Amino acid sequence: GENVEQHPSTLSVQEGDSAVIKCTYSDSASNYFPWYKQELGKRPQLIIDIRSNVGEKKDQRIAVTLNKTAKHFSLHITETQPEDSAVYFCAVGGSARQLTFGSGTQLTVLP
Amino acid sequence: EAQVTQNPRYLITVTGKKLTVTCSQNMNHEYMSWYRQDPGLGLRQIYYSMNVEVTDKGDVPEGYKVSRKEKRNFPLILESPSPNQTSLYFCASRPGRAMNTEAFFGQGTRLTVV
Repeated sequence: GENVEQHPSTLSVQEGDSAVIKCTYSDSASNYFPWYKQELGKRPQLIIDIRSNVGEKKDQRIAVTLNKTAKHFSLHITETQPEDSAVYFCAVGGSARQLTFGSGTQLTVLP
Repeated sequence: EAQVTQNPRYLITVTGKKLTVTCSQNMNHEYMSWYRQDPGLGLRQIYYSMNVEVTDKGDVPEGYKVSRKEKRNFPLILESPSPNQTSLYFCASRPGRAMNTEAFFGQGTRLTVV
């Protein structure tokens, strides 16, 4: 099955700085790459996704880049704010029609 | 309001006592699944269902059962819970049968087995 690795597991940045989280996957047939944000005690919610016919997608302060050849994709958050503090999960939509999630990154934005 | 609803939110039970966690969605989604979330392990899929009466094992199905008799409901059954099933459980639903659609999560069920 699909194997998704996510790094780093924890990330601390100063408010206003950028944060980058990276994921790699194993199934070259995968074509859907969403990112979810989970605030403390809440459910995961989609913040941005990208499909394999696109190399980059941006939505205000967040962006996702995809390198299908290398089988990795990244989440970029610019001008970080305290409310960006949360756990972020990457996921991969694989050929088995499942969504396989990474292990998560705890992002802390320091004031 | 479009939503996925799980019940109960919190449950403490004893080893071996059968329990069911319910999940219901009102979005007419074909695809439903169950995940467990454990520290450092992310969200691991337990079972999924692509439509009524169609269920398949995910990555960690041992000790769990599911059923999909109606499109809107997808209960998770623990026939004989054990302490290693203590975890945070999420139900999710997705529209259609394609693999490139957003998953909508329920609010989670925190289960403790003593």
